[in-house]
Amino acid sequence: DGGITQSPKYLFRKEGQNVTLSCEQNLNHDAMYWYRQDPGQGLRLIYYSQIVNDFQKGDIAEGYSVSREKKESFPLTVTSAQKNPTAFYLCASRQGQNEQYFGPGTRLTVT
Amino acid sequence: KQEVTQIPAALSVPEGENLVLNCSFTDSAIYNLQWFRQDPGKGLTSLLLIQSSQREQTSGRLNASLDKSSGRSTLYIAASQPGDSATYLCAVRPFISGGSYIPTFGRGTSLIVHP
Repeated sequence: DGGITQSPKYLFRKEGQNVTLSCEQNLNHDAMYWYRQDPGQGLRLIYYSQIVNDFQKGDIAEGYSVSREKKESFPLTVTSAQKNPTAFYLCASRQGQNEQYFGPGTRLTVT
Repeated sequence: KQEVTQIPAALSVPEGENLVLNCSFTDSAIYNLQWFRQDPGKGLTSLLLIQSSQREQTSGRLNASLDKSSGRSTLYIAASQPGDSATYLCAVRPFISGGSYIPTFGRGTSLIVHP
């Protein structure tokens, strides 16, 4: 079964703690993306990676970090510097100019 | 900077109606346009991808058209069903030589089809 998996589905953290969201794909896609979705805001790009060992900041990268050590994995760390981390986080991947595919999302709640 | 607008933001219709959802973009230099469906609390599911050289794409009851010159795409849903209830988003990928081809998303149209 090919696709994108994100874990966990729900994540709860205390303010001031770093947290890492997992994203794995077995589609053999080169490009991977992290988005944040808030009610009424639409999708906002956090980071993207077009190839292993390379990644670029998106529109709202402050307070987040990523790594791309393997083609199939693109974890996102939400640091304590992110002022409003509670949101729905979506991972996506794409090969060339073909369709972009999304994972099921992780809902992060920070209290 | 590319701006993508989806109107209406919300739509409620009775079952069986044929629907048209609109997606407008400001920069016609696009590579392709993709339509997605999102159910509450879920990820996005790809519906149709239209390349800039194409005028339309069809999948089952769905038909998406593209008019680059006017900066518009429409998603036509025939004979709507309650199971079509979801948010529909469009994403426009720019044509930038040597660029990153990062898509710009609209905010979506929330559709409710009631029995």
